[in-house]
Amino acid sequence: GQNIDQPTEMTATEGAIVQINCTYQTSGFNGLFWYQQHAGEAPTFLSYNVLDGLEEKGRFSSFLSRSKGYSYLLLKELQMKDSASYLCADMDSNYQLIWGAGTKLIIKP
Amino acid sequence: NAGVTQTPKFQVLKTGQSMTLQCAQDMNHEYMSWYRQDPGMGLRLIHYSVGAGITDQGEVPNGYNVSRSTTEDFPLRLLSAAPSQTSVYFCASSYSVPTGANVLTFGAGSRLTVL
Repeated sequence: GQNIDQPTEMTATEGAIVQINCTYQTSGFNGLFWYQQHAGEAPTFLSYNVLDGLEEKGRFSSFLSRSKGYSYLLLKELQMKDSASYLCADMDSNYQLIWGAGTKLIIKP
Repeated sequence: NAGVTQTPKFQVLKTGQSMTLQCAQDMNHEYMSWYRQDPGMGLRLIHYSVGAGITDQGEVPNGYNVSRSTTEDFPLRLLSAAPSQTSVYFCASSYSVPTGANVLTFGAGSRLTVL
């Protein structure tokens, strides 16, 4: 079966750190993606993990644990422009992406 | 480069009408796909293509047709629109089947309302 779970909405304060979790249950795992989507816009690629561990890319980091079917996106030094939805997607054995419903992140001053 | 261009951005249809959503990319991408995005749900794959002349069904293909006569264009046709097809539609492309080294580039989206 294929199932992606992530929180519907989170709120954080400008300048703080926030962690957005994602759990997946996909047969034939081929990698985990994170995309950012501002309201009314297209999703844009943030990160990709296929091996366990943390991948750091500036203020954003992504972590994967394949044994636990778990990933998180860590956003540091939050800025108002980080207010967006964050989409988690995993790739199944047919190289098709299975998407979560997204986490809407609200940044408050 | 324009990237992935979708038209129209907004469309209102009556039940039973047909229409075509256009998608064009100028990046010489072999892989193209159509998704729909509904509130509270993840993006769902409608149809995809791995190259000119080749198309395949995704998760929710019913009520939609596609064709891929050129590398650049991948139109999505709604045969007889239904209110359940009210959604935001995204076209996305990549050089080949999406991987970590070959990520999807999305168009700006087409918001369709079926009355």
